[in-house]
Amino acid sequence: AQKVTQAQTEISVVEKEDVTLDCVYETRDTTYYLFWYKQPPSGELVFLIRRNSFDEQNEISGRYSWNFQKSTSSFNFTITASQVVDSAVYFCALSELAPDSWGKLQFGAGTQVVVTP
Amino acid sequence: DAGVTQSPTHLIKTRGQQVTLRCSPISGHKSVSWYQQVLGQGPQFIFQYYEKEERGRGNFPDRFSARQFPNYSSELNVNALLLGDSALYLCASSWRLAGGKNTGELFFGEGSRLTVL
Repeated sequence: AQKVTQAQTEISVVEKEDVTLDCVYETRDTTYYLFWYKQPPSGELVFLIRRNSFDEQNEISGRYSWNFQKSTSSFNFTITASQVVDSAVYFCALSELAPDSWGKLQFGAGTQVVVTP
Repeated sequence: DAGVTQSPTHLIKTRGQQVTLRCSPISGHKSVSWYQQVLGQGPQFIFQYYEKEERGRGNFPDRFSARQFPNYSSELNVNALLLGDSALYLCASSWRLAGGKNTGELFFGEGSRLTVL
Protein backbone atom coordinates (compact mmCIF):
# COMPACT_ATOMS: atom_id res chain seq x y z
CA ALA A 1 0.00 0.00 0.00
CA GLN A 2 1.08 3.54 -0.64
CA LYS A 3 1.53 6.11 2.09
CA VAL A 4 2.72 9.71 2.10
CA THR A 5 3.71 11.39 5.35
CA GLN A 6 4.13 15.11 5.86
CA ALA A 7 5.14 15.45 9.48
CA GLN A 8 5.03 19.25 9.55
CA THR A 9 1.50 20.54 10.04
CA GLU A 10 2.37 24.23 9.90
CA ILE A 11 5.44 26.34 9.18
CA SER A 12 5.55 30.08 9.81
CA VAL A 13 8.28 32.24 8.33
CA VAL A 14 9.01 35.88 7.71
CA GLU A 15 9.14 37.02 4.12
CA LYS A 16 12.43 36.31 2.32
CA GLU A 17 13.26 33.36 4.54
CA ASP A 18 13.65 29.92 2.93
CA VAL A 19 11.06 27.23 3.67
CA THR A 20 11.74 23.49 3.42
CA LEU A 21 8.84 21.06 3.44
CA ASP A 22 9.46 17.42 4.32
CA CYS A 23 7.83 14.43 2.64
CA VAL A 24 8.40 10.73 3.29
CA TYR A 25 6.66 8.09 1.22
CA GLU A 26 6.09 4.34 1.17
CA THR A 27 5.41 2.25 -1.89
CA ARG A 28 6.08 -1.29 -3.05
CA ASP A 29 6.47 -0.14 -6.62
CA THR A 30 9.87 0.38 -8.17
CA THR A 31 8.63 3.04 -10.57
CA TYR A 32 6.43 5.89 -9.53
CA TYR A 33 5.92 9.65 -9.70
CA LEU A 34 6.21 12.13 -6.87
CA PHE A 35 4.51 15.51 -6.90
CA TRP A 36 4.14 18.70 -4.98
CA TYR A 37 0.88 20.61 -5.19
CA LYS A 38 -0.07 23.97 -3.68
CA GLN A 39 -3.56 24.73 -2.40
CA PRO A 40 -4.32 28.43 -1.83
CA PRO A 41 -7.45 29.48 0.08
CA SER A 42 -9.46 29.35 -3.17
CA GLY A 43 -9.27 25.55 -2.92
CA GLU A 44 -7.81 24.72 -6.32
CA LEU A 45 -4.82 22.40 -6.21
CA VAL A 46 -2.01 23.84 -8.30
CA PHE A 47 0.60 21.50 -9.77
CA LEU A 48 4.15 22.58 -8.90
CA ILE A 49 6.62 19.83 -9.70
CA ARG A 50 6.87 16.15 -10.68
CA ARG A 51 9.75 13.74 -10.26
CA ASN A 52 10.16 10.26 -11.72
CA SER A 53 11.42 7.57 -9.38
CA PHE A 54 14.14 6.58 -11.82
CA ASP A 55 15.62 10.08 -11.99
CA GLU A 56 17.18 11.29 -8.75
CA GLN A 57 18.62 14.45 -10.23
CA ASN A 58 17.62 17.37 -8.08
CA GLU A 59 16.63 20.55 -9.81
CA ILE A 60 15.80 24.15 -9.27
CA SER A 61 12.93 25.91 -10.96
CA GLY A 62 12.80 29.57 -10.13
CA ARG A 63 12.37 29.85 -6.38
CA TYR A 64 11.45 26.17 -6.06
CA SER A 65 13.91 23.32 -5.59
CA TRP A 66 13.55 19.74 -4.50
CA ASN A 67 15.67 17.01 -2.98
CA PHE A 68 14.71 13.47 -3.95
CA GLN A 69 16.47 10.72 -2.00
CA LYS A 70 15.25 7.30 -3.07
CA SER A 71 17.41 5.57 -0.45
CA THR A 72 15.52 7.30 2.35
CA SER A 73 12.17 7.58 0.48
CA SER A 74 12.14 11.33 0.94
CA PHE A 75 11.07 14.08 -1.43
CA ASN A 76 11.64 17.43 0.22
CA PHE A 77 10.65 20.75 -1.30
CA THR A 78 12.19 24.18 -0.72
CA ILE A 79 10.87 27.64 -1.44
CA THR A 80 13.70 30.14 -1.57
CA ALA A 81 13.18 33.76 -0.51
CA SER A 82 9.56 33.20 0.46
CA GLN A 83 6.87 35.72 -0.40
CA VAL A 84 3.47 36.40 1.15
CA VAL A 85 1.83 34.89 -1.95
CA ASP A 86 3.47 31.57 -1.06
CA SER A 87 1.12 31.24 1.91
CA ALA A 88 -0.91 28.10 1.21
CA VAL A 89 -1.19 24.43 2.06
CA TYR A 90 1.39 22.30 0.27
CA PHE A 91 0.73 18.65 -0.51
CA CYS A 92 3.16 15.93 -1.42
CA ALA A 93 1.66 13.14 -3.53
CA LEU A 94 2.63 9.78 -5.00
CA SER A 95 1.38 8.04 -8.12
CA GLU A 96 2.19 4.66 -9.61
CA LEU A 97 3.06 4.42 -13.28
CA ALA A 98 0.88 1.41 -13.99
CA PRO A 99 -1.98 2.18 -16.41
CA ASP A 100 -4.63 1.12 -13.91
CA SER A 101 -3.22 3.59 -11.41
CA TRP A 102 -3.38 6.51 -13.75
CA GLY A 103 -5.32 9.40 -12.26
CA LYS A 104 -4.86 8.15 -8.70
CA LEU A 105 -2.71 10.22 -6.42
CA GLN A 106 -1.97 9.34 -2.82
CA PHE A 107 -1.70 12.64 -0.96
CA GLY A 108 -0.09 13.50 2.34
CA ALA A 109 -1.98 15.46 4.97
CA GLY A 110 -0.44 18.74 3.85
CA THR A 111 1.72 21.43 5.42
CA GLN A 112 0.32 24.91 6.01
CA VAL A 113 2.87 27.57 5.13
CA VAL A 114 2.33 31.04 6.56
CA VAL A 115 4.55 33.82 5.27
CA THR A 116 4.31 37.11 7.11
CA PRO A 117 5.62 40.45 5.82
CA ASP B 1 -8.00 28.07 -22.39
CA ALA B 2 -10.49 27.38 -19.62
CA GLY B 3 -9.34 25.22 -16.75
CA VAL B 4 -11.33 22.53 -15.00
CA THR B 5 -14.73 23.90 -14.04
CA GLN B 6 -16.95 22.53 -11.31
CA SER B 7 -20.49 23.29 -10.24
CA PRO B 8 -21.99 24.15 -7.91
CA THR B 9 -19.27 25.83 -5.90
CA HIS B 10 -21.12 25.60 -2.62
CA LEU B 11 -24.17 23.67 -1.53
CA ILE B 12 -25.95 22.68 1.63
CA LYS B 13 -27.91 19.47 2.01
CA THR B 14 -29.52 17.58 4.86
CA ARG B 15 -28.85 14.04 5.93
CA GLY B 16 -30.45 11.42 3.71
CA GLN B 17 -30.61 13.67 0.65
CA GLN B 18 -28.84 13.08 -2.63
CA VAL B 19 -26.40 15.37 -4.41
CA THR B 20 -24.99 15.63 -7.93
CA LEU B 21 -21.74 17.46 -8.61
CA ARG B 22 -20.59 18.36 -12.09
CA CYS B 23 -17.21 18.74 -13.72
CA SER B 24 -16.00 19.92 -17.12
CA PRO B 25 -12.42 18.94 -17.93
CA ILE B 26 -9.86 20.99 -19.77
CA SER B 27 -10.49 20.86 -23.50
CA GLY B 28 -8.71 17.85 -24.97
CA HIS B 29 -8.49 15.99 -21.67
CA LYS B 30 -10.23 12.63 -21.74
CA SER B 31 -9.69 11.53 -18.15
CA VAL B 32 -11.51 12.82 -15.08
CA SER B 33 -10.79 11.93 -11.47
CA TRP B 34 -12.77 12.78 -8.36
CA TYR B 35 -11.34 13.41 -4.93
CA GLN B 36 -12.86 14.10 -1.52
CA GLN B 37 -11.05 16.49 0.79
CA VAL B 38 -12.24 16.66 4.37
CA LEU B 39 -11.23 19.79 6.23
CA GLY B 40 -7.65 19.59 7.44
CA GLN B 41 -6.77 16.50 5.42
CA GLY B 42 -5.31 15.68 2.06
CA PRO B 43 -7.56 14.74 -0.87
CA GLN B 44 -8.72 11.13 -1.05
CA PHE B 45 -9.23 9.40 -4.40
CA ILE B 46 -12.82 8.43 -5.21
CA PHE B 47 -13.06 7.61 -8.93
CA GLN B 48 -11.21 7.86 -12.18
CA TYR B 49 -12.89 7.76 -15.60
CA TYR B 50 -11.25 7.55 -18.98
CA GLU B 51 -13.10 7.42 -22.27
CA LYS B 52 -16.37 7.09 -20.38
CA GLU B 53 -15.29 3.97 -18.53
CA GLU B 54 -14.51 3.65 -14.83
CA ARG B 55 -10.79 2.89 -14.56
CA GLY B 56 -10.32 3.13 -10.83
CA ARG B 57 -12.24 3.39 -7.59
CA GLY B 58 -11.09 4.34 -4.13
CA ASN B 59 -12.28 3.02 -0.80
CA PHE B 60 -15.70 4.67 -0.78
CA PRO B 61 -19.13 3.09 -0.19
CA ASP B 62 -21.58 2.32 -2.98
CA ARG B 63 -23.49 5.49 -2.11
CA PHE B 64 -20.88 7.20 -4.25
CA SER B 65 -21.23 6.83 -8.01
CA ALA B 66 -20.06 8.69 -11.06
CA ARG B 67 -20.26 8.73 -14.81
CA GLN B 68 -18.55 10.37 -17.74
CA PHE B 69 -20.36 11.70 -20.77
CA PRO B 70 -19.38 11.63 -24.47
CA ASN B 71 -18.05 15.19 -24.17
CA TYR B 72 -15.82 13.95 -21.29
CA SER B 73 -17.63 15.96 -18.64
CA SER B 74 -18.47 14.05 -15.50
CA GLU B 75 -20.94 13.86 -12.66
CA LEU B 76 -20.40 12.58 -9.13
CA ASN B 77 -23.48 11.41 -7.26
CA VAL B 78 -23.74 10.78 -3.57
CA ASN B 79 -26.89 9.18 -2.15
CA ALA B 80 -28.18 9.00 1.42
CA LEU B 81 -25.91 11.80 2.59
CA LEU B 82 -24.24 11.52 5.96
CA LEU B 83 -22.74 14.27 8.09
CA GLY B 84 -19.31 12.80 7.31
CA ASP B 85 -19.80 13.49 3.62
CA SER B 86 -19.27 17.18 4.30
CA ALA B 87 -16.14 18.01 2.36
CA LEU B 88 -14.60 19.75 -0.62
CA TYR B 89 -15.08 17.60 -3.71
CA LEU B 90 -12.37 18.12 -6.27
CA CYS B 91 -12.41 17.15 -9.89
CA ALA B 92 -9.21 16.77 -11.87
CA SER B 93 -8.57 16.16 -15.53
CA SER B 94 -5.56 14.82 -17.32
CA TRP B 95 -4.51 13.60 -20.74
CA ARG B 96 -2.87 10.52 -22.05
CA LEU B 97 0.05 10.46 -24.41
CA ALA B 98 0.14 8.05 -27.35
CA GLY B 99 0.90 4.58 -26.13
CA GLY B 100 -0.79 5.17 -22.79
CA LYS B 101 2.19 6.75 -21.07
CA ASN B 102 1.15 8.19 -17.76
CA THR B 103 2.50 11.69 -17.34
CA GLY B 104 0.92 11.89 -13.94
CA GLU B 105 -0.04 15.55 -13.72
CA LEU B 106 -3.60 16.22 -12.69
CA PHE B 107 -5.20 19.60 -13.24
CA PHE B 108 -7.73 20.42 -10.55
CA GLY B 109 -10.81 22.58 -10.40
CA GLU B 110 -11.66 24.78 -7.43
CA GLY B 111 -14.02 22.21 -6.05
CA SER B 112 -17.57 21.94 -4.81
CA ARG B 113 -17.91 22.51 -1.09
CA LEU B 114 -20.67 20.31 0.30
CA THR B 115 -22.10 20.84 3.76
CA VAL B 116 -24.43 18.20 5.16
CA LEU B 117 -26.61 19.29 8.08
